[in-house]
Amino acid sequence: QKEVEQNSGPLSVPEGAIASLNCTYSDRGSQSFFWYRQYSGKSPELIMFIYSNGDKEDGRFTAQLNKASQYVSLLIRDSQPSDSATYLCAVIIGNTPLVFGKGTRLSVIA
Amino acid sequence: DTEVTQTPKHLVMGMTNKKSLKCEQHMGHRAMYWYKQKAKKPPELMFVYSYEKLSINESVPSRFSPECPNSSLLNLHLHALQPEDSALYLCASSRTGTHASTDTQYFGPGTRLTVL
Repeated sequence: QKEVEQNSGPLSVPEGAIASLNCTYSDRGSQSFFWYRQYSGKSPELIMFIYSNGDKEDGRFTAQLNKASQYVSLLIRDSQPSDSATYLCAVIIGNTPLVFGKGTRLSVIA
Repeated sequence: DTEVTQTPKHLVMGMTNKKSLKCEQHMGHRAMYWYKQKAKKPPELMFVYSYEKLSINESVPSRFSPECPNSSLLNLHLHALQPEDSALYLCASSRTGTHASTDTQYFGPGTRLTVL
């Protein structure tokens, strides 16, 4: 069974801190990993994707992938109140469309 | 440009009505998707069109009927819906539709549907 697990939160961090969001997946055949941000009542917005082991940085965001341990994480540096949202981890497994985790709700406290 | 558009933004319908949701993309993507999302839940895949052919139907009730008139357009026809069908309906598109490792999905803004 293809599963993507996330802690539902809420994860509360103070403004300016690093927010660390984690995601684990069950299928070793998983190939591609995506982080989407979703504000309440809005649609998911792509933040980052990562295919290879290691880190990938884009501005304040860093995605980390460890295929051996089957986890992918998203770090948000210098967290801002505007980062408060639900973050969805999604995985392409084999030849199937995205499998979503349940999302982690992040709250950045000013 | 990674824009997917959806109309209408909001829709209220009765259980006997027939309505349609529309989705459009001009990125040259060959796969388009319909998702249903309830509050505090992740998007739930309904249908996938790849190269204008229905490739995945996730056992969706027949009161939802998808249509892909061309590679840029995707419709979802609604008939005899139930109040529990009220949700945010999301359209997405991706480049290849083969669910290859690089097949990033981009979402439209969604249609908020309320069934009375």
